[in-house]
Amino acid sequence: EADIYQTPRYLVIGTGKKITLECSQTMGHDKMYWYQQDPGMELHLIHYSYGVNSTEKGDLSSESTVSRIRTEHFPLTLESARPSHTSQYLCASTGTVEQYFGPGTRLTVT
Amino acid sequence: GESVGLHLPTLSVQEGDNSIINCAYSNSASDYFIWYKQESGKGPQFIIDIRSNMDKRQGQRVTVLLNKTVKHLSLQIAATQPGDSAVYFCAEFTGNQFYFGTGTSLTVIP
Repeated sequence: EADIYQTPRYLVIGTGKKITLECSQTMGHDKMYWYQQDPGMELHLIHYSYGVNSTEKGDLSSESTVSRIRTEHFPLTLESARPSHTSQYLCASTGTVEQYFGPGTRLTVT
Repeated sequence: GESVGLHLPTLSVQEGDNSIINCAYSNSASDYFIWYKQESGKGPQFIIDIRSNMDKRQGQRVTVLLNKTVKHLSLQIAATQPGDSAVYFCAEFTGNQFYFGTGTSLTVIP
């Protein structure tokens, strides 16, 4: 069982709101990732981090930001939510080979 | 970006039969390849990985085969059980990123 957690699990929010999706892991992993996934589709990388104070942009990063102030914590912020942001957001961390995923946050923007 | 694709979007098998899920990749420089299982409403779960210098690796009821000549990866599940019903993703690790393909939905018929 992976020790990686995401909150909230489900979120319904109106257009234009600012939201932060939380992700934390207790495995001491340096590398962490945020993915966006629509049902039945592949995962798209949003942001990733190699360690504290390190963040990199993925393919879908333009409308969100991340921070990595502590090893265990990697929050994702959408400054202004839009209906196109409706999706599932998955956080992951990697030790050596295996990538552990959190349960995901299912976001609906109305 | 990288291209990792699965040949078949859906697969149905009888309980007790063997399942084979296929995946094609495009980057011959990938360091290793991973298979994930994703059940409905959950994040992907690591199944097995294989290094690029290997041809075959076995786990518990699963075998991954890597054919670098044709850039093809397969996951074989022996004696498929109802609990194996899920979406299966292959991913390749190149540089510091994971690249995921579109999943194959496996349905096990009792």
